[in-house]
Amino acid sequence: QSALTQPASVSGSPGQSITISCTGTSSDVGNYNLVSWYQHHPGKAPKLIVYEGTKRPSGVSNRFSGSKSGNTASLTISGLQAEDEADYYCCSYASTRTWVFGGGTKLTVL
Amino acid sequence: EVQLLESGGGFVQPGGSLRLSCAASGFTFSDYAMSWVRQAPGKGLEWVSGISGNGGSIYYADSVKGRFTISRDKSRKTLFLQMNSLRDDDTAVYYCAKDTGVMVATIGNDWGQGTQVIVSS
Repeated sequence: QSALTQPASVSGSPGQSITISCTGTSSDVGNYNLVSWYQHHPGKAPKLIVYEGTKRPSGVSNRFSGSKSGNTASLTISGLQAEDEADYYCCSYASTRTWVFGGGTKLTVL
Repeated sequence: EVQLLESGGGFVQPGGSLRLSCAASGFTFSDYAMSWVRQAPGKGLEWVSGISGNGGSIYYADSVKGRFTISRDKSRKTLFLQMNSLRDDDTAVYYCAKDTGVMVATIGNDWGQGTQVIVSS
């Protein structure tokens, strides 16, 4: 039950686009369409921003989009805004009937 | 409006027990799977356990299997996590999370604010 692999940090300027990768294996990301992404501002509750790989919950900005290729899922944030600065986590169902999170990525808006 | 309110956290010695509760409101409780997710100090999120809407399907992370028990009470609209044989590395903020449907699939369409558990001698 190893954690999914995410970059520790990414950064971008306002208005730019950034992509966060989430690499797993054929036992989790690669084999199931159950990858979700969360935005987490420290001290607050996490927020679901993408689920089932590409779907956005109601009310989530279309600046957030998800995709997947093989064992790697990705979250793209376009038109970066200051309020996007947060920690981002991916999560996937795994064949061991468990769910596994990535280690988290700290997004800095320059 | 969905509301999830955790309680029951606190300070406990290694080997001790705690029971966390999550009071739910704003939705039909039995229509949604629920999970517990934790975050240790300075660490990332870790899924702990999940339970389907009718309680018939239950899942645990390897790190807590055999020590933690998840349950739910439909009449009280409350989710529980019984934590036994607590260890130092169980120290974390524990979040209650509501799924997108009746089966555990997408963790955390909605989240509580968390309850702190500290395990220390």
